[in-house]
Amino acid sequence: QQQVKQSPQSLIVQKGGISIINCAYENTAFDYFPWYQQFPGKGPALLIAIRPDVSEKKEGRFTISFNKSAKQFSLHIMDSQPGDSATYFCAASRGTGNQFYFGTGTSLTVIP
Amino acid sequence: GAVVSQHPSRVICKSGTSVKIECRSLDFQATTMFWYRQFPKQSLMLMATSNEGSKATYEQGVEKDKFLINHASLTLSTLTVTSAHPEDSSFYICSVLAGGSTGELFFGEGSRLTVL
Repeated sequence: QQQVKQSPQSLIVQKGGISIINCAYENTAFDYFPWYQQFPGKGPALLIAIRPDVSEKKEGRFTISFNKSAKQFSLHIMDSQPGDSATYFCAASRGTGNQFYFGTGTSLTVIP
Repeated sequence: GAVVSQHPSRVICKSGTSVKIECRSLDFQATTMFWYRQFPKQSLMLMATSNEGSKATYEQGVEKDKFLINHASLTLSTLTVTSAHPEDSSFYICSVLAGGSTGELFFGEGSRLTVL
């Protein structure tokens, strides 16, 4: 059973546009929700993360929106750039030292 | 973020040989490391959880005799693919769980294994 569901599978956005990737989870015990960015042939890199005590977190052009009641969280990339073209994974974990559950990934292409 | 060094980044070997991949945590001591396998255009598949000083915990369906994991120190974990076959060809990625209350997970650069 997929613990974290991610959509869309792929996304094409014009340069300067907003990229939005959504994730949903079932386990209400999850308390840490990171997003990772992965370029081809490289390991995932931690992009931004949020905990359930806040509804939004912003770092530069990247924002996480978190809806605890709906058990959903999303990544917004403002002013998308071609360099943002990568695969993005959402994840969820519970406590510390525990397993991370990853979404299936979203391939983002930002066209000039 | 934490620096996780993974080596080698690429390795090609003949079928039947064994290959060792190293994962080092450069910034802090890591009691827990995870090993993932990733197929092209797919998500990360957890293979095993490596705990320093104890046996690794393998996920269902992962052969522990095929994928040997050693976590002998707080900064080094190794994955050995024994008697490799072409179907073992994949992208292997280690990750380190940051200590303290952050619970952040940092990944190595990955190792591309090709078995001929």
